[in-house]
Amino acid sequence: KQEVTQIPAALSVPEGENLVLNCSFTDSAIYNLQWFRQDPGKGLTSLLLIQSSQREQTSGRLNASLDKSSGRSTLYIAASQPGDSATYLCAGLTGANNLFFGTGTRLTVIP
Amino acid sequence: DTGVSQDPRHKITKRGQNVTFRCDPISEHNRLYWYRQTLGQGPEFLTYFQNEAQLEKSRLLSDRFSAERPKGSFSTLEIQRTEQGDSAMYLCASHTTGRYTEAFFGQGTRLTVV
Repeated sequence: KQEVTQIPAALSVPEGENLVLNCSFTDSAIYNLQWFRQDPGKGLTSLLLIQSSQREQTSGRLNASLDKSSGRSTLYIAASQPGDSATYLCAGLTGANNLFFGTGTRLTVIP
Repeated sequence: DTGVSQDPRHKITKRGQNVTFRCDPISEHNRLYWYRQTLGQGPEFLTYFQNEAQLEKSRLLSDRFSAERPKGSFSTLEIQRTEQGDSAMYLCASHTTGRYTEAFFGQGTRLTVV
């Protein structure tokens, strides 16, 4: 069974800092890795999808990388803003045909 | 709005009552998923449909839970004889068939069993 771990569980940074969120997974046979954002009491918003054949994806200030061999993915957020405060979740899709989620990293960006 | 839609957003019910949630996926998506999320945890898979066929169910889906997707469009998730342990956020997601497609989630239904 795929297990996904996210470190750190919580992170607090001053506005303007660059930061990295980490995600590790046990089953390297993933089809893709997806990063989501979740605001309190809300659903999930897709940020980036990395297919297994890709190494990274970029969207605006976000960059996600994937290293299947080591079972790791990172989400890099440049020039953080208070509006980036949320919980960030990573999830891997495997042959089980459903997403396996980590427990998330709760990010607070201090103005 | 062409995203995934869930109704209701919030539901408070007494223990022992039945509840039903609805999910309307993105229209061209043939796969529809239900997940459950408790406080401080990531979502956990419950079940999924490809078109109208329910292809997989998690062990989390006890016999008090039932899901349908008539005609391969919207889906309903019913919980019978609710228990306090059923209190959670129920999330619906949809995407197209294939390994490399992006999953899109609705805003969820927050269930509180009192």
